[in-house]
Amino acid sequence: GDSVTQMEGPVTLSEEAFLTINCTYTATGYPSLFWYVQYPGEGLQLLLKATKADDKGSNKGFEATYRKETTSFHLEKGSVQVSDSAVYFCALKSSGDKLTFGTGTRLAVRP
Amino acid sequence: ETGVTQTPRHLVMGMTNKKSLKCEQHLGHNAMYWYKQSAKKPLELMFVYSLEERVENNSVPSRFSPECPNSSHLFLHLHTLQPEDSALYLCASSRRTGYTEAFFGQGTRLTVV
Repeated sequence: GDSVTQMEGPVTLSEEAFLTINCTYTATGYPSLFWYVQYPGEGLQLLLKATKADDKGSNKGFEATYRKETTSFHLEKGSVQVSDSAVYFCALKSSGDKLTFGTGTRLAVRP
Repeated sequence: ETGVTQTPRHLVMGMTNKKSLKCEQHLGHNAMYWYKQSAKKPLELMFVYSLEERVENNSVPSRFSPECPNSSHLFLHLHTLQPEDSALYLCASSRRTGYTEAFFGQGTRLTVV
């Protein structure tokens, strides 16, 4: 079945540091890939997505590239801010209706 | 504001209580979902409704009973829960099942004592 593996957190960074959160997946066919973000006390919000190999999703300074050869969709940001502190979820959707999520990675950014 | 509203935000209930979670969306979406979010686990899809009909039930215990009276409202009725059911319950909606983007509510933090 489909699955998503994310690096365990928490990830703690200083403001303006470079961020990478790793995500790899297992799926049949050609899934769409997503990053969702959950700010404290909030529900999940779609951050970015990519629907085919080599696509790059980007939003709010975050980027992720769909790498079929390594089955990865790592999230990156060049300079994090305190306001980026949240839980980040990698997810995929293959041929069915179901979104399959990873366990989430908590990011804490220090001033 | 995501357009999906859940009430209550927090709920503490005993194992013999009966309570209900409510979800409301006015985005014109036709599909609604219940997810369970537990610490250190992936989000678990519990139920999927499309046009008010249940289309998926992922082996959820019968102590959780969903209801979708119309395309804007979704309920999760809770009865005789166990402490391990304590979690954040998230409602989501999308234009239709299979559509790539889902919009989530803020969740109900449930504690079973």
